[in-house]
Amino acid sequence: DADVTQTPRNRITKTGKRIMLECSQTKGHDRMYWYRQDPGLGLRLIYYSFDVKDINKGEISDGYSVSRQAQAKFSLSLESAIPNQTALYFCATSDFYSGRETQYFGPGTRLLVL
Amino acid sequence: AQSVTQLGSHVSVSEGALVLLRCNYSSSVPPYLFWYVQYPNQGLQLLLKYTTGATLVKGINGFEAEFKKSETSFHLTKPSAHMSDAAEYFCAVSPSSNTGKLIFGQGTTLQVKP
Repeated sequence: DADVTQTPRNRITKTGKRIMLECSQTKGHDRMYWYRQDPGLGLRLIYYSFDVKDINKGEISDGYSVSRQAQAKFSLSLESAIPNQTALYFCATSDFYSGRETQYFGPGTRLLVL
Repeated sequence: AQSVTQLGSHVSVSEGALVLLRCNYSSSVPPYLFWYVQYPNQGLQLLLKYTTGATLVKGINGFEAEFKKSETSFHLTKPSAHMSDAAEYFCAVSPSSNTGKLIFGQGTTLQVKP
């Protein structure tokens, strides 16, 4: 089984709809991240969390919110989806104590906002 | 501000030829540097990383990279390309310790021709 899983893998939604992307990990890592990938722009950090009570905005947090329900779960929400949020979204995890800054990525969620 | 620049969004080589993917970074403090690979429809996988010590870093699948502080570069090389190396490659920098944040380059798509 994969260490970092994301659900759904693909999602089509309409402008204005609320949508949640979920991430779970079995690596036992304390840190979790959400990125979006757009062609020609690489990956950009949306939010990150160092533990359940520590959530931080990343480079492009506007229009997004997150919830760290447990050490192993980190959800990303689009409160009112818009077309320019169409992208590939990745969750990642890391553990400060064993591999400093090495991040392990999930398979991604491809989101299309119509 | 820290940044990463990958020179060339697309690189095409023949099977068996040298692979060279270029990465330059800017960082006001000694960085940690990473190369990730993304195969089609998959998440990112760590190829190699530089933290401290030896400046020539060997990674998986025959890839290696050399940290050159004077040139602020971390170019990725492989002596002989294989068809299975076709993927998108991302250079990333962690600009300071214990922040958990990665800054990614724009990505380079490697095409390997038979």
